[in-house]
Amino acid sequence: EVQLVESGGGLVQPGGSLRLSCAASGFTFVSYAMGWVRQAPGKGLEWVSTITGSGGNTFYADSVKGRFTISRDNSKDTVSLQISSLRAEDTAIYFCAKDFLRGRCSFFDNWGQGILVTVSS
Amino acid sequence: EVVLTQFPGTMSLSPGERASLSCRASQTVMFSYLAWYQQKLGQAPRLLISGASTRATDIPDRFSGSGSGTDFTLTISRLEPEDFAVYYCQQYGSSPITFGQGTRLEI
Repeated sequence: EVQLVESGGGLVQPGGSLRLSCAASGFTFVSYAMGWVRQAPGKGLEWVSTITGSGGNTFYADSVKGRFTISRDNSKDTVSLQISSLRAEDTAIYFCAKDFLRGRCSFFDNWGQGILVTVSS
Repeated sequence: EVVLTQFPGTMSLSPGERASLSCRASQTVMFSYLAWYQQKLGQAPRLLISGASTRATDIPDRFSGSGSGTDFTLTISRLEPEDFAVYYCQQYGSSPITFGQGTRLEI
């Protein structure tokens, strides 16, 4: 059974930083791209970032480019999202999700339960 | 980027009825690379359909997807009480991948 468990969320001040992590199990981690999708309170889904299975290619939404960095450790089956220069509009639940493919962005066939990031002074 | 517009925003139906949810793209979705997700309150999204019409594992056959080009439809043939949720479409044919704003299906 695929399991994705996020950690690292919390309350952070505007301009601050946070590192989100996602521990994966139940599948061959290196064989799949991994992504992050966020959902602001009461709003819809917004794709944030994806990293290919090898970690060699990363993709970002324009809204986070230059502020967020996705990475993965295939020896530990984890994917991380370093989020910096945080703004109030970054407040959201951040979902870790398994992509269907290895080498490009596609759709997400498994999702974690999400972790809340609140940006407020 | 490909903008996806879902309509209606909210749909009110009863168990046993048929639901048709629409997703319209601002430009052609390449290769019909369109997915549908269901999200219940307080839960993560769940994949229902990929490639416009392929049901995901363990998805009941009352859920079906259709469409191509710019117009796509998710149909739920006979609504069950557990189907009342928010539904999102997502395209992955062009970069960046994008989601629609969602359709709320309520009783």
